[in-house]
Amino acid sequence: GIQVEQSPPDLILQEGANSTLRCNFSDSVNNLQWFHQNPWGQLINLFYIPSGTKQNGRLSATTVATERYSLLYISSSQTTDSGVYFCAVEPNRDDKIIFGKGTRLHILP
Amino acid sequence: DVKVTQSSRYLVKRTGEKVFLECVQDMDHENMFWYRQDPGLGLRLIYFSYDVKMKEKGDIPEGYSVSREKKERFSLILESASTNQTSMYLCASGRGPGNTIYFGEGSWLTVV
Repeated sequence: GIQVEQSPPDLILQEGANSTLRCNFSDSVNNLQWFHQNPWGQLINLFYIPSGTKQNGRLSATTVATERYSLLYISSSQTTDSGVYFCAVEPNRDDKIIFGKGTRLHILP
Repeated sequence: DVKVTQSSRYLVKRTGEKVFLECVQDMDHENMFWYRQDPGLGLRLIYFSYDVKMKEKGDIPEGYSVSREKKERFSLILESASTNQTSMYLCASGRGPGNTIYFGEGSWLTVV
């Protein structure tokens, strides 16, 4: 089946720093989403981005489907950005949604 | 707002017990999913369903079964709970291919 790899696995930054999280996937996909899991376990959808670039405030995401990767950018990090960021893909011709192992982000005050 | 509700937030069960985890969504979504989340392993798909009474195995279906008798409800069943099924279980729903999925708050299951 499709493989989804996220890097780095862990990231510790000072408040105000910028960060880039990466998601690589091994096969063609219909759909790619980025999620943020807060410290209480709730998963919140950040972006639905099968291709192209989207921005939402301090967050933006870019997916290059032909090269099978996506990037999530966080600018001017805040402590509330801490948590785990997951990339999830929907393989072509399949209803499954497969997640990577996540990047754990810790923003220090 | 989309609401996905999981019946129990925290459960403690004994080895060998039958366990039911219930999930209800209020958006008439076709697809529903059950994942488990373990440290260092991310979210792993157990089962999903794309219609009433339809189910498909995910990556780790062993030891689990599911039921979808009504569109809004998707149940995960552990026929005989074991300690290696201690985990957080997450339910999600969505409209189908090419659409966002939405998660419930999760159910923390401890099997002793």
